[in-house]
Amino acid sequence: AQSVTQPDIHITVSEGASLELRCNYSYGATPYLFWYVQSPGQGLQLLLKYFSGDTLVQGIKGFEAEFKRSQSSFNLRKPSVHWSDAAEYFCAGQTGANNLFFGTGTRLTVIP
Amino acid sequence: GAVVSQHPSRVICKSGTSVKIECRSLDFQATTMFWYRQFPKQSLMLMATSNEGSKATYEQGVEKDKFLINHASLTLSTLTVTSAHPEDSSFYICSARDLWTPGGEQYFGPGTRLTVT
Repeated sequence: AQSVTQPDIHITVSEGASLELRCNYSYGATPYLFWYVQSPGQGLQLLLKYFSGDTLVQGIKGFEAEFKRSQSSFNLRKPSVHWSDAAEYFCAGQTGANNLFFGTGTRLTVIP
Repeated sequence: GAVVSQHPSRVICKSGTSVKIECRSLDFQATTMFWYRQFPKQSLMLMATSNEGSKATYEQGVEKDKFLINHASLTLSTLTVTSAHPEDSSFYICSARDLWTPGGEQYFGPGTRLTVT
């Protein structure tokens, strides 16, 4: 079955520290992969997406993600976290024109 | 570009009444729209998929008579929660997709907070 897994429910990092949020997928074929961010009470904002080609994808707000087929992973990274990055992050997958499958989300807390 | 709006952003209604939530694609034609439900501190759960001019496809476990979806135009879909009960209180998010866009990316609305008293 198609699925996306985010192993970390909650991560706390210090402001200025680096960040990596994990995402693993399970699909029959390589899916399109997305990372979204959701602030409290808000909708989802797309950070970046991977369809094909270069496996290192640059997104908005200084985020990047790397697609690793051998590990079935699409981890999100940021070299230096800002307090405003505190939010819920969702990884999602999609095959072709089919529906999105969301992971359970990772809540990021940033401490001063 | 690719902006999706939802109205209202928040609504409080009494148990037994019906509530309509609108989802609009402002600058593109949405051949497909999706409705999600999100409980506190949980992920998005797809409720239904609607294609313009046809009946919505509901996910397993979603009552189609309770959650009425209409996708009458390429820019508007509505979700009506009929005979609402407190357990229907949730955050409802819509998304829209233009199938002519490579990859068929979904664009999300800001969500509607429904509270049933």
